[in-house]
Amino acid sequence: GAGVSQSPSNKVTEKGKDVELRCDPISGHTALYWYRQSLGQGLEFLIYFQGNSAPDKSGLPSDRFSAERTGGSVSTLTIQRTQQEDSAVYLCASSLLLSGSHPEYRSGEQFFGPGTRLTVL
Amino acid sequence: AQKVTQAQTEISVVEKEDVTLDCVYETRDTTYYLFWYKQPPSGELVFLIRRNSFDEQNEISGRYSWNFQKSTSSFNFTITASQVVDSAVYFCALRGEMDTGRRALTFGSGTRLQVQP
Repeated sequence: GAGVSQSPSNKVTEKGKDVELRCDPISGHTALYWYRQSLGQGLEFLIYFQGNSAPDKSGLPSDRFSAERTGGSVSTLTIQRTQQEDSAVYLCASSLLLSGSHPEYRSGEQFFGPGTRLTVL
Repeated sequence: AQKVTQAQTEISVVEKEDVTLDCVYETRDTTYYLFWYKQPPSGELVFLIRRNSFDEQNEISGRYSWNFQKSTSSFNFTITASQVVDSAVYFCALRGEMDTGRRALTFGSGTRLQVQP
């Protein structure tokens, strides 16, 4: 079946502009995550959505970053007033959230998309 | 706080050699989950294996094997008879039980494996 898809695959923008990155999770996956991969910081967690619960935004680096998930499916990560340090690959992942006692729920097996490479000039 | 250390930044081997990628983790949780992901040049992270802390049985899948040792907080990954297609960056990751609500993975810095023909 189809995996996690992300668009655009590459985005070049000028410092100070806003950008929107899109993630389409695996159908039926109720949990969605955003991570950032950069040379200096490795893979960092940004935000997590689970069903209709309030998102966990604890990994967002600043208030310029925000994300939403509409209809429990597609998610958009928005970066306002981009800075050069925002340049990175932004990865989206999804997982199947089953009942609390199910091993899959507890283990957090996540499937990743191909990422969006963001370059801020 | 969780921490994952992959001390090997880059490893280069010749095809058919065996290679072991090291992973050491730190957690205060009594129950936790360990993962290995492969990131080929295409960039997409590919899930390889999940190991639960309460199951120390080692696992073999084809040319891949994993050695989980709680006593040394290590979860090492061995590729037997390496092939050029194994060239990638490999990430070890951890999620603790206390992270259940957060469900985020803590990743190591990755090990770049180059398999030369």
